Amino acid sequence: DAGVIQSPRHEVTEMGQEVTLRCKPISGHNSLFWYRQTMMRGLELLIYFNNNVPIDDSGMPEDRFSAKMPNASFSTLKIQPSEPRDSAVYFCASSLRTQLETQYFGPGTRLLVL
Amino acid sequence: AQKITQTQPGMFVQEKEAVTLDCTYDTSDQSYGLFWYKQPSSGEMIFLIYQGSYDEQNATEGRYSLNFQKARKSANLVISASQLGDSAMYFCAMREGTGGFKTIFGAGTRLFVKA
Repeated sequence: DAGVIQSPRHEVTEMGQEVTLRCKPISGHNSLFWYRQTMMRGLELLIYFNNNVPIDDSGMPEDRFSAKMPNASFSTLKIQPSEPRDSAVYFCASSLRTQLETQYFGPGTRLLVL
Repeated sequence: AQKITQTQPGMFVQEKEAVTLDCTYDTSDQSYGLFWYKQPSSGEMIFLIYQGSYDEQNATEGRYSLNFQKARKSANLVISASQLGDSAMYFCAMREGTGGFKTIFGAGTRLFVKA
């Protein structure tokens, strides 16, 4: 079975540019999560969706960040405009609907904003 | 408030020996799940093992076992017969049953396996 798929795997961009990260969750999983990992702050939950509906976006750092899940098999995380402090690894994870189910992570997108 | 604490920033273990990575948690929920993930230098997050709060037996998955002590609120990971490929960052995580879908993660422990 395919795991969580993320693209691109690496992204280098200049400050002020728009960045779009993509995620395809595991088929049949109803919950999707976006995380950001940095050395300073560790792994932070940005937003999570259940059945394509955003449940909690309190972790989204500011209005420059937005996330969508138009259908059960696709989600995007957009940063506009990007800033150097957004440089991090962004993970997407998915899990079954049951609350206590394990989250399975994608390989991550390494973002560098110059 | 829920919290995960991993007090060991880094640990060394000799190849073929067992090692215990500490994790303590804080929650007021009766129903919760505890997880361990491995993050090698390549960066991916690999799920290792899960323990439910109502599980009476400690979880085991191959060389991984979770030493679950509910009264002490600890969920230590034990890796038996360490291998060089076990060198990685290890994260303890918790998900509350009634708190929604959030999972919180500890700061991680970096394990170095020596040949």
